[in-house]
Amino acid sequence: DAGVTQSPTHLIKTRGQHVTLRCSPISGHKSVSWYQQVLGQGPQFIFQYYEKEERGRGNFPDRFSARQFPNYSSELNVNALLLGDSALYLCASIETGGSYGYTFGSGTRLTVV
Amino acid sequence: GQQVMQIPQYQHVQEGEDFTTYCNSSTTLSNIQWYKQRPGGHPVFLIQLVKSGEVKKQKRLTFQFGEAKKNSSLHITATQTTDVGTYFCAARAAGNKLTFGGGTRVLVKP
Repeated sequence: DAGVTQSPTHLIKTRGQHVTLRCSPISGHKSVSWYQQVLGQGPQFIFQYYEKEERGRGNFPDRFSARQFPNYSSELNVNALLLGDSALYLCASIETGGSYGYTFGSGTRLTVV
Repeated sequence: GQQVMQIPQYQHVQEGEDFTTYCNSSTTLSNIQWYKQRPGGHPVFLIQLVKSGEVKKQKRLTFQFGEAKKNSSLHITATQTTDVGTYFCAARAAGNKLTFGGGTRVLVKP
């Protein structure tokens, strides 16, 4: 059974551009969350989706948006990229009602130049 | 908002020695989770603690939740080179949002 998969693994973008990151959760997991991890820091919560609805949003500007599809995969979109958006973007899924932890994907390393 | 602090930020350990990393919150936590992130990797779930005073063990790792549910600790005995990485505690809030601490970066000297 595949784990959480994310694409692309690495990405280089120019300031002002737009980026779309993709995530497929573990089969059967309906909840997907996105986290931003700046080098040397802990992951910061961006969004949580469950059954295609936004269930939580972190302290990020409106340039960040996300959605979840009927197959529970998800996209994270970031507009008007800034240098400070350079980070590892992690997607995580969890079993509904599960008392266990999140399973994280390997992440997308975004570099904004 | 909820904040979770971890100390120390860095831990240099001689192989074979023990060490402890601590996680503190100013508010009462409903639960605490611990993750390990290897260099260049992603966080991997280790354990969740829910009950006041709870103690759980995984081989050489011992996790504890404080009586007031405001702090937690991870103790590793007989450190090995495979223990290298960053250990994060994370408070799980309603809606499955995780608030991570800053992590303790563990380096092992052979």
